[in-house]
Parts: sequence; structure tokens; C-alpha cells
Amino acid sequence: DTEVTQTPKHLVMGMTNKKSLKCEQHMGHRAMYWYKQKAKKPPELMFVYSYEKLSINESVPSRFSPECPNSSLLNLHLHALQPEDSALYLCASSQERTGTITDTQYFGPGTRLTVL
Amino acid sequence: KQEVTQIPAALSVPEGENLVLNCSFTDSAIYNLQWFRQDPGKGLTSLLLIQSSQREQTSGRLNASLDKSSGRSTLYIAASQPGDSATYLCAVRRNYGQNFVFGPGTRLSVLP
Repeated sequence: DTEVTQTPKHLVMGMTNKKSLKCEQHMGHRAMYWYKQKAKKPPELMFVYSYEKLSINESVPSRFSPECPNSSLLNLHLHALQPEDSALYLCASSQERTGTITDTQYFGPGTRLTVL
Repeated sequence: KQEVTQIPAALSVPEGENLVLNCSFTDSAIYNLQWFRQDPGKGLTSLLLIQSSQREQTSGRLNASLDKSSGRSTLYIAASQPGDSATYLCAVRRNYGQNFVFGPGTRLSVLP
């Protein structure tokens, strides 16, 4: 199974709402990533979790709050978002072994987020 | 700061042509470079990954090369097909870091 799943596929929310994006993989990968992608732009890295610990936060506003409850799950909690946060949010995972950094990132299909 | 560029930004070719997509990066201290394709509104599919110690990788009709010292990678697509139409992105991984930097992509259209 080389699949990363993301739910929901589409999400529309108001600026006062609280919502969460979910990502799941069962490949035994220990690194998981959140990216944001605006239309016709490349993905921009937001967060990286390695062995369930946050290892990279690319200066993302606090209205985005990541969580890694276990090695297979990654959540992104959203609160008080702005219309400019509307984008495709992509999750990815890769193998990670202590002392080395390896290999291919596998991406999910993304969640299309619209903030009204 | 690592910057990644891709040329051309868009490309339209008739079916059957061989084509080359280019990726350039400013900092040669990379761990690996990965090529992806992305269909409109969808996630990314990994095509090829080249470690910094490698010169090229091949998968089917795809061949990717890496010249780390000059900061360049090329993706060669042989005998292009309409199903190859997509945006192709390269991504560079920093030495021993988990930061990936993506190029802006090349939008490829293969006409039947």
C-alpha cells in the first residue's frame, strides 16, 4: 500500500470556524509533511513531523496548528483563517531511519480549502 | 537560501516527440532531487529521485540526470504521449535536512 489519504477532499469555512484536516498513511513512514499550494504555484512546506515530533515549522501563523497523534496520522487544525489561506493543502510522507534521511515523498490528493 | 527554477514554464508538443525539461538550483549542497508530476487539482506523483551521489535515474520512458556542481537537473521524456500532459515539478532536498524546495513547474501539453 503506497497510499496517503486525506480528508475531507473539499472544505468551505468561515473566518470564525474551527476545522481540521486529516492525513493518514500505513506505509510505516516516520516523517510526515504539510504543504500549502496556491493556484499555479509550487507547494510550500509548512510543517514536518519526524517520529511524531515536530521538527520543522516554516514560520507558519498560529492559526494553523499541526498535530501528530501517532505514526500513521497527521492533523492540521484550523482556526480564525483568512480568505488568503484558501489553497490546496497537501500531506506527504517518507521513510525516515535514525541517522539517515531517505527517499521518496508520497503525496496525498490534497484538501481544497476555501475560506469565506 | 536555495532557489529552484524551471525552464520552460510551459511547453506544447505533438505526440511522439522527445522532450527535455530543465531544473536549476542555486545551492549545490543538496541531499537529493526529486521529479514529480501533478495533474490539475490533484496531489503530486513521484517520478524519479536522484541522490546527490548519482548522475542519473531511469524509469520507463523517463530519464533524469543530475549535475550537482552546476546546479542542474534535466528530465528527458521519450516518445511523449497525451497522457503525459501535466505539470512537472522538481524539488531539491537540503543536505541532511527535511526541507524541500520546489521549482515553479513546467506545464506540459502533448497534443494528439
